[in-house]
Amino acid sequence: SQQGEEDPQALSIQEGENATMNCSYKTSINNLQWYRQNSGRGLVHLILIRSNEREKHSGRLRVTLDTSKKSSSLLITASRAADTASYFCATDGTSGSRLTFGEGTQLTVNP
Amino acid sequence: DAGITQSPRHKVTETGTPVTLRCHQTENHRYMYWYRQDPGHGLRLIHYSYGVKDTDKGEVSDGYSVSRSKTEDFLLTLESATSSQTSVYFCAISAVKGGGRETQYFGPGTRLLVL
Repeated sequence: SQQGEEDPQALSIQEGENATMNCSYKTSINNLQWYRQNSGRGLVHLILIRSNEREKHSGRLRVTLDTSKKSSSLLITASRAADTASYFCATDGTSGSRLTFGEGTQLTVNP
Repeated sequence: DAGITQSPRHKVTETGTPVTLRCHQTENHRYMYWYRQDPGHGLRLIHYSYGVKDTDKGEVSDGYSVSRSKTEDFLLTLESATSSQTSVYFCAISAVKGGGRETQYFGPGTRLLVL
């Protein structure tokens, strides 16, 4: 079963708006990562947040992590049409397990 | 793309035929992974390798085998392809930092259709 579950499954917004995607997971983690996948391409790493961190920024990306709720959110500010892609969270568990990916959120940014 | 290539990029085969997919990396990373991606399931780990001749199973390993005889190559074999193995297959490597496996870098994928 998938460790991470993204919400919503699909999100459609206008260019310039902010996009927020959420990820929930079930077991303790070392870190949580977000990846982007453009249609027909491989996944690209966006950002990693460790279990002892609460918030991290990278350019227009802001990631939060709440280990008490076992959840994370990815905020993309001032979205662009080029941000249209699927976004996946992945967790690296404390049991030595490998990365476990969620099913992704499909983001569409309309020009 | 961390110097990762996959071959072939597309393949159509018939049920019962053996198929081998190749992942090649140029940066000498120790950890390599094979995933499959299907609608409604996200990415699922098939097998992974933590060194030459060192491999282990993932969550969906049935019907698949792997081999790693050189650091740079990780092969995935479908011993007798079935229609349920129609999927997009991704290879990934792990950039090791601080002794742990962290960020993964993905190849471009292989689209496999089993008729």
